[in-house]
Amino acid sequence: GDSVTQMEGPVTLSEEAFLTINCTYTATGYPSLFWYVQYPGEGLQLLLKATKADDKGSNKGFEATYRKETTSFHLEKGSVQVSDSAVYFCALSRGGSYIPTFGRGTSLIVHP
Amino acid sequence: KAGVTQTPRYLIKTRGQQVTLSCSPISGHRSVSWYQQTPGQGLQFLFEYFSETQRNKGNFPGRFSGRQFSNSRSEMNVSTLELGDSALYLCASSSLSGGEETQYFGPGTRLLVL
Repeated sequence: GDSVTQMEGPVTLSEEAFLTINCTYTATGYPSLFWYVQYPGEGLQLLLKATKADDKGSNKGFEATYRKETTSFHLEKGSVQVSDSAVYFCALSRGGSYIPTFGRGTSLIVHP
Repeated sequence: KAGVTQTPRYLIKTRGQQVTLSCSPISGHRSVSWYQQTPGQGLQFLFEYFSETQRNKGNFPGRFSGRQFSNSRSEMNVSTLELGDSALYLCASSSLSGGEETQYFGPGTRLLVL
């Protein structure tokens, strides 16, 4: 079946550091890929998405590129802020009647 | 456009009681999914409703049930509560345009079972 694997957290960085959170997936066909973010005490918010190979999703300085050859969708940001501290979830969906598959989440802690 | 709303936001119950949680999806969205989130198990899928029909179901006991109304609002019910049911319950609605399924989440209902 479908699966999403994320790097274990927490990831701890200083403000203005470069961020990479790895995500790889297993799925048949051509899924859409997503990153969601969950701030403390809140629900998940869609951060960015990509629907086909080589697409780059971007939002709020975050980027991720859909790499079909490596089945990856790594999240990157050039300069993190304290306000980026949250849990990040990678997910895939094959649309239609299929339920999205989520990774276990990666906690990011950014220190001033 | 208003987002997904969930009520109540917080709930405290005791073992053996039952609880009903409510979710109002984004206007025009016909699919509503429910998830349970706990520190140990992460995000686990409960069930999905589409046009008042349960279309998908996760691996949870029959104590967990749900329904969807004609206006797409959904409720989930947990009967005979157990301590392990303490969790954040998230509702998500989606639009199926273009064949890809972006889910939009509500803020969740935090349930504590004592």
